[in-house]
Amino acid sequence: AQSVTQLDSQVPVFEEAPVELRCNYSSSVSVYLFWYVQYPNQGLQLLLKYLSGSTLVKGINGFEAEFNKSQTSFHLRKPSVHISDTAEYFCAVVNSGYSTLTFGKGTMLLVSP
Amino acid sequence: DTGVSQDPRHKITKRGQNVTFRCDPISEHNRLYWYRQTLGQGPEFLTYFQNEAQLEKSRLLSDRFSAERPKGSFSTLEIQRTEQGDSAMYLCASSQHGGTESYEQYFGPGTRLTVT
Repeated sequence: AQSVTQLDSQVPVFEEAPVELRCNYSSSVSVYLFWYVQYPNQGLQLLLKYLSGSTLVKGINGFEAEFNKSQTSFHLRKPSVHISDTAEYFCAVVNSGYSTLTFGKGTMLLVSP
Repeated sequence: DTGVSQDPRHKITKRGQNVTFRCDPISEHNRLYWYRQTLGQGPEFLTYFQNEAQLEKSRLLSDRFSAERPKGSFSTLEIQRTEQGDSAMYLCASSQHGGTESYEQYFGPGTRLTVT
């Protein structure tokens, strides 16, 4: 069975500061990894994905993530955050050959001026 | 590409009533998924379809829940005899079939259900 751990439920940060949101997964097979963002009362928007190839993946809104197989991690980073980045961020995993996503509990990113 | 749409966006119902939600996927996507998200949690998988065939159901999907996708296009999720524990955001997603693109799921805005 697969699982996802997002250790930080909230991450407060000042505008223009860098941020890292942590994600660790557990799976016995090859995985595909995703980060989604959810604004209040909205659905989930795909930020970025790791399917294959380079372990450093870039997404929308200046976010990037690095897949680390040995540490079973897929941490999300942004070098300089904006107020508009305030939202809930979800890490998700799917095992190769399967179809359903397993999500972490989410990390609320709170950007203040 | 108009994205995944869901109707209604909000639904308030009394305990014991039946409710039905609709999801329209991205037009060229033949996979459709339903998830449930409760407050402070990530989405949890309920069921998914490939075309009109329902291929997988979660143990979360009790007998009171039923989903259909009769023509392989839109889908409906019905909850019978609603309970307060059914209050949640119900999310629909769709994806293509085949290749690594099939793992990319695109979500609708969700239907927020409140059972009073």
